[in-house]
Amino acid sequence: DIQMTQSPSSLSASVGDRVTITCRASQSISSYLNWYQQKPGKAPELLIYAASSLQSGVPSRFSGSGSGTDFTLTISSLQPEDFASYFCQQSYSTPHAFGQGTKLEIK
Amino acid sequence: EVQLVESGGGLGKPGESLRVSCAASGFTFSNAWMSWVRQAPGKGQEWVGRIKSKTDGATADLAAPVKGRFTISRDDSQNTLYLQMNSLKTEDTAVYYCATRHRYGGYLDYWGQGTLVTVSS
Repeated sequence: DIQMTQSPSSLSASVGDRVTITCRASQSISSYLNWYQQKPGKAPELLIYAASSLQSGVPSRFSGSGSGTDFTLTISSLQPEDFASYFCQQSYSTPHAFGQGTKLEIK
Repeated sequence: EVQLVESGGGLGKPGESLRVSCAASGFTFSNAWMSWVRQAPGKGQEWVGRIKSKTDGATADLAAPVKGRFTISRDDSQNTLYLQMNSLKTEDTAVYYCATRHRYGGYLDYWGQGTLVTVSS
């Protein structure tokens, strides 16, 4: 099974900051990497699919990059509504494992 | 508008069974591949399994921790997805989400609001 390692597990930042979260797969997953945002008490929402494709309706300050084993999610200028948890997930082969998550908090 | 509404969660004892359902609307359910994901209290997301559409064989894949105990099924006439959970363990305590799974990309583009399953003696 493919393991997903996400870092950092938590991150403090300020409004307007540029933030990067990384996700590493234990073997190559091509570009089958997806990013989700989850706010407390809510279901996750898809942000980025296929490593770098922005889901419809997601602000352009979110971007994704990478292929193979190493991937990043970047938020170019943090907004108050971006303080949430973020998860990566591989969809290359089942089981479609998630990363452990990154909790993004206000500094 | 795509809507997924889970139901059937609740309290069960270790060794008992529970079934959670996911009622779908706003898209052609019979063509959709569907997934279950769970989130234990204070933890991250855990992929539980997925089922293909009937035209693709309606086969289900399940994660190792639940294989042999959980079953995913679908009733396309009722636009409903099911997760049958048998031989429950305390570690199955979680919010269970259903989600639509993109057929080729595998990403989960629409999620339900989740239903809480608590397993405790």
